[in-house]
Amino acid sequence: NAGVTQTPKFRILKIGQSMTLQCAQDMNHNYMYWYRQDPGMGLKLIYYSVGAGITDKGEVPNGYNVSRSTTEDFPLRLELAAPSQTSVYFCASSYLSGGLTFGQGTRLTVV
Amino acid sequence: GQQVMQIPQYQHVQEGEDFTTYCNSSTTLSNIQWYKQRPGGHPVFLIQLVKSGEVKKQKRLTFQFGEAKKNSSLHITATQTTDVGTYFCARGDTGFQKLVFGTGTRLLVSP
Repeated sequence: NAGVTQTPKFRILKIGQSMTLQCAQDMNHNYMYWYRQDPGMGLKLIYYSVGAGITDKGEVPNGYNVSRSTTEDFPLRLELAAPSQTSVYFCASSYLSGGLTFGQGTRLTVV
Repeated sequence: GQQVMQIPQYQHVQEGEDFTTYCNSSTTLSNIQWYKQRPGGHPVFLIQLVKSGEVKKQKRLTFQFGEAKKNSSLHITATQTTDVGTYFCARGDTGFQKLVFGTGTRLLVSP
């Protein structure tokens, strides 16, 4: 049972480039989330999904897009990367309103 | 959603001393969750509190939910070096569990 798997673990992007952060869970959780964590700070919710085909904005959605075509996968798309998007990105999932299971994170640097 | 404030932001204790972190909200909380994040790691779910005045224990950790459901605390008895990390509370909104994380308390334990 892998839990929540995020790829890649590290990435350096140039300003203006785009990329997709992958997230997959094998626990059949219906809820999935994307958070970002800036150095020494708390977690900010970017987007979330309550099930396949349903997504909604969190606290800091600007500059990001998501899709949820299957229960297992919840990719996060960064368009036109900016230095302000340098952060650690965590994907998480939960069964209904239970505790979240987090992935290992993706450390992204935009230069 | 409304933010939750945690105090203190940082605490440095000697091994064996007790530690408490507090989570405060200006509005009534539907429920609250606690997470631990080790340095360089990902958040790990500890517990969820739902009922007014609820107290739950996990070995040396004691979690409380205030009677008015506006605050919560995590108390660690006789800290150990393995307790090092940042402790986050997270509030859940009524209905859907769109968790908003607190600012976190960073704990350092010296042997």
